[in-house]
Amino acid sequence: AQSVTQLGSHVSVSEGALVLLRCNYSSSVPPYLFWYVQYPNQGLQLLLKYTTGATLVKGINGFEAEFKKSETSFHLTKPSAHMSDAAEYFCAVSDGNQAGTALIFGKGTTLSVSS
Amino acid sequence: GAGVSQSPSNKVTEKGKDVELRCDPISGHTALYWYRQSLGQGLEFLIYFQGNSAPDKSGLPSDRFSAERTGGSVSTLTIQRTQQEDSAVYLCASSSQGGTIYFGEGSWLTVV
Repeated sequence: AQSVTQLGSHVSVSEGALVLLRCNYSSSVPPYLFWYVQYPNQGLQLLLKYTTGATLVKGINGFEAEFKKSETSFHLTKPSAHMSDAAEYFCAVSDGNQAGTALIFGKGTTLSVSS
Repeated sequence: GAGVSQSPSNKVTEKGKDVELRCDPISGHTALYWYRQSLGQGLEFLIYFQGNSAPDKSGLPSDRFSAERTGGSVSTLTIQRTQQEDSAVYLCASSSQGGTIYFGEGSWLTVV
């Protein structure tokens, strides 16, 4: 079975500050890992994903995440927060051995950005 | 179509009534997924289709919930005898084989 834990349901940062959203996963098979963002009253948009290869993954809007197998983590970072980054962020895992299997999501982290 | 399309976008129904939610996936996508998003519950996996078959129905919360997919395209999620705890956003997503999963905007269901 797979699961995802997002530490911190709510993170607040100042504009220009580092953004760090934490995600730990549990998986008995090689995982595929994802970060999605959800703006108010909208669907989910893929930020970035890790499947195989390079463990540091760059996504849209300046976000990146690093897959650390030894720590079972896939934390999301951005060097400098913008007001437009305020949204809910979801980490997800799927079975890397079976392409197309469903994503299992964490409960989400709401990011607030203050000026 | 250009993206995953869901209808209705909003639905208010009386407790005990049946509802149908429709999902039109991205053209050519063979995999289709239904999720439920409730306040404080995050995103809950309901069911997954590969073509017209559903290899994983493990997330359907009760026998009041069912889903079908016809022609390898449109899917319908049906909730019978709705209860207030069914109030949520129902999200549909689709992907090509092994490809990125794209989500629709969701159907907001309120049971009163």
